[in-house]
Amino acid sequence: DAGVIQSPRHEVTEMGQEVTLRCKPISGHNSLFWYRQTMMRGLELLIYFNNNVPIDDSGMPEDRFSAKMPNASFSTLKIQPSEPRDSAVYFCASSLGLAGPYEQYFGPGTRLTVT
Amino acid sequence: AQSVTQLDSQVPVFEEAPVELRCNYSSSVSVYLFWYVQYPNQGLQLLLKYLSGSTLVESINGFEAEFNKSQTSFHLRKPSVHISDTAEYFCAVSRNTNAGKSTFGDGTTLTVKP
Repeated sequence: DAGVIQSPRHEVTEMGQEVTLRCKPISGHNSLFWYRQTMMRGLELLIYFNNNVPIDDSGMPEDRFSAKMPNASFSTLKIQPSEPRDSAVYFCASSLGLAGPYEQYFGPGTRLTVT
Repeated sequence: AQSVTQLDSQVPVFEEAPVELRCNYSSSVSVYLFWYVQYPNQGLQLLLKYLSGSTLVESINGFEAEFNKSQTSFHLRKPSVHISDTAEYFCAVSRNTNAGKSTFGDGTTLTVKP
């Protein structure tokens, strides 16, 4: 199995530009999570999906952030417009279930730098 | 609701010394417990997990963790660390329901010095 795939691995953009991060979960997993990690704030859960449906987006910092999961094998996290404070590593993770004895499998992350 | 507290943000140790990374959790229902490890510039990966049964669980690289229900703890230990164990370690808890998600601690940075 290829694991969770994220693209791009690195993204450098200018303030005000739109950024789209992509994630392909492990086949057969029905839950998907988007996290953001920074030195200052640690690991933050932004949003998670179960069976392609958003369950909780309370971690999304503001309206500039949006996430979609159009099918079981693809999800996007979009930032529009981007700001320097959005600079972070964004992780996607998937699991067999939403809760219970199911560990999460993390992708390698996308390192976003907004100048 | 559940919460996880990792009691040490940084733990420096010398190579071949023992180490303990502490994790306490709170939950009103039964939980499943996990330790994840994050090596530099990588995503988190599962180190070990407690689901039920024996309270002592082990990983393939020599780490072990003990579930203590009375103290609501799940401390991670290794009797002799190696330089390659330098990483950040996250404790996580998940409820046995379909209404929640895993809650992660703030992480403990383990630095193994020669």
